[in-house]
Amino acid sequence: QVQLQESGPGLVKPSETLSLTCTVSGGSMTSDFWSWIRQPPGKTLEWIGYVHYSGSTSYNPSLKSRATISRDTSKNQFSLKLTSVTAADTAMYFCARDLAARGFDPWGQGTLVTVSS
Amino acid sequence: ETVLTQSPGTLSLSPGERATLSCRASQSVRSSYLAWYQQKPGQAPRLLIYGASSRATGIPDRFSGSGSGTDFSLTINRLEPEDLAVYYCQQYGNSPLTFGGGTKVEIK
Repeated sequence: QVQLQESGPGLVKPSETLSLTCTVSGGSMTSDFWSWIRQPPGKTLEWIGYVHYSGSTSYNPSLKSRATISRDTSKNQFSLKLTSVTAADTAMYFCARDLAARGFDPWGQGTLVTVSS
Repeated sequence: ETVLTQSPGTLSLSPGERATLSCRASQSVRSSYLAWYQQKPGQAPRLLIYGASSRATGIPDRFSGSGSGTDFSLTINRLEPEDLAVYYCQQYGNSPLTFGGGTKVEIK
């Protein structure tokens, strides 16, 4: 079955760019939507955005255009870049397959990113 | 954006009891596009229910969802110790997608 795994630096300095990659195994990315979701410590979940296999994207307006999600179907990966990070961006970052009308399933295990100098 | 308010914040019940969790939306959720997730400590969320009442693959029938419009609920029958978790509702009928604040289920 489809499995997802996040990877990337666990520590990012303020004002720099957070970059994460999600690798999809056990299936192809040539269908569905693929999303990034984050969860600050002790808080609820926040949808960041998605990339469709066609390359089209959609983002949460709360991120004020700081997020960019792209995909590389040849590598079965999709990526997140978040610019101008602050301490408020410290969170567990999850990638997930977005089944549109059927919710997010499955999820990656998550990767903790801390923004600190 | 559509704000989802979950109640209660914490539910403490004994094994075998029934848990009823509420999720209220600030505006009607289009096409009942409402999902429920279970997040156990230290784990990623797991999809339980989509479309307000459809169980995801592999989810036991102890879990059921209902509701429409602005009021939704998740019922867990015959609570088991392994049901200890935070449960989140999420709507995907209105943009942007939003999650509720969660209900923590404790097992006495």
